[in-house]
Amino acid sequence: EAAVTQSPRNKVAVTGGKVTLSCNQTNNHNNMYWYRQDTGHGLRLIHYSYGAGSTEKGDIPDGYKASRPSQENFSLILELATPSQTSVYFCASGDAGTGKDSDYTFGSGTRLLVI
Amino acid sequence: QQQVRQSPQSLTVWEGETAILNCSYEDSTFDYFPWYWQFPRESPALLIAIRPVSNKKEDGRFTIFFNKREKKLSLHITDSQPGDSATYFCAASPAGGYKVVFGSGTRLLVSP
Repeated sequence: EAAVTQSPRNKVAVTGGKVTLSCNQTNNHNNMYWYRQDTGHGLRLIHYSYGAGSTEKGDIPDGYKASRPSQENFSLILELATPSQTSVYFCASGDAGTGKDSDYTFGSGTRLLVI
Repeated sequence: QQQVRQSPQSLTVWEGETAILNCSYEDSTFDYFPWYWQFPRESPALLIAIRPVSNKKEDGRFTIFFNKREKKLSLHITDSQPGDSATYFCAASPAGGYKVVFGSGTRLLVSP
C-alpha cells in the first residue's frame, strides 16, 4: 500500500542542536512537502520539492533546510534548533502541477519538542 | 496575509443536526478546493473536493456548496455523527499549481 512514512514519531532536542526529520513515500509522487502545525495557525508550508535534487522555500522557511536526495526521500533539517520550532511536523506527497488534482497524502507526523 | 479564511474557528452541533463550515478565498486563480479532515493526534486526510466548474459536490452526508462570484464555499455535514468530530481544513490550489494553501481550520464537535 502506497504511503508516506515519517521518522521519528517523537523527538526531544536541545536548543542549538541539529535535528533531522525524515520522510519516505512510496506513492511515486513527484512533489513532496513539509508543513508545521501549531494551534491557531493551521498548516504552514516550510519547504517543498518538485523532484529529486530540488528544494524550494515555502511560506516560513527561516531556520529550516531541506534535502531531496531521491524521489522517495525528503528530509527537513534544523541546523540550530530553537524552542520556537517546537511543533508537529507533517510531510506530504502529491502530484500537483502535473495535470492531476492537488491531493496530498500526509505522513503521520513528528512531534518535536525543543528544550 | 491569509489567502484562505475559515469560520467559525470552532463549532458544536447536536447529533443529527447539520453542521455548516464556511470558507472564503482571495486569489481568483484558485481552481481546486479540497477539504481535509483531521482527527485528534492523526494526520490530515482528504475528505472531499470541488472545482469551480461545479457549484455543488456531494459525497454521502458531505456536500460542498461553491459561489465563485463571491469567492466563498461551505461544507455541509448533514445528520452529523459524533464520529464526525474533527478539525476541518478548507484548502485551495491554483490551476497548474504545485502548492495547496490551507485555511486555519474549523474544529467541529458533535455532541450525542
